[in-house]
Amino acid sequence: AQKVTQAQTEISVVEKEDVTLDCVYETRDTTYYLFWYKQPPSGELVFLIRRNSFDEQNEISGRYSWNFQKSTSSFNFTITASQVVDSAVYFCALSEGETSGSRLTFGEGTQLTVNP
Amino acid sequence: DTAVSQTPKYLVTQMGNDKSIKCEQNLGHDTMYWYKQDSKKFLKIMFSYNNKELIINETVPNRFSPKSPDKAHLNLHINSLELGDSAVYFCASSHQGGLNEQFFGPGTRLTVL
Repeated sequence: AQKVTQAQTEISVVEKEDVTLDCVYETRDTTYYLFWYKQPPSGELVFLIRRNSFDEQNEISGRYSWNFQKSTSSFNFTITASQVVDSAVYFCALSEGETSGSRLTFGEGTQLTVNP
Repeated sequence: DTAVSQTPKYLVTQMGNDKSIKCEQNLGHDTMYWYKQDSKKFLKIMFSYNNKELIINETVPNRFSPKSPDKAHLNLHINSLELGDSAVYFCASSHQGGLNEQFFGPGTRLTVL
């Protein structure tokens, strides 16, 4: 069975600080996909990134970067120079294989608050 | 705009009532999902349909019945509502396969009194 753990329930930072959100996953599959979603206070779920299990390259998109390490089963998310608009709940998620309709297994989410 | 839409956005009802939530996507996806987000923000899959066929049915009470009239629609009907059904219900869609990101609707906040 697959499982995603986000040990940080809440993080509070001051604007312009860098912050890293941790994600650890468990799966028996060799082919799987990892995702991050953002849920701002307005409530919608916004897709941020997808990574497949064969690609351990880190990725940077503006102030966002992701560090995927299969050796530690982690897929951490860093926000550089955080801004108030980054305040949201961030979810890490996992799906397995190529089968149709693969479910997303979500972590518990990390509530990030960026204070001015 | 291309999107996943849900109606209604808010639903307040009494225990024991029957209610439906509608979902539509115009992204051309062939797979649709229902997720439940509880009061602690935990998100869990309920159902998944691929080309109108049910393929994932988690341990959900049979008071919950999804219906997919076509690939673009996946509705959720709930019978005999209970207090514990209060949650936010998200519809999502994607292309077939676990590698594809799922696009979520805005959510329906259900409150059972």
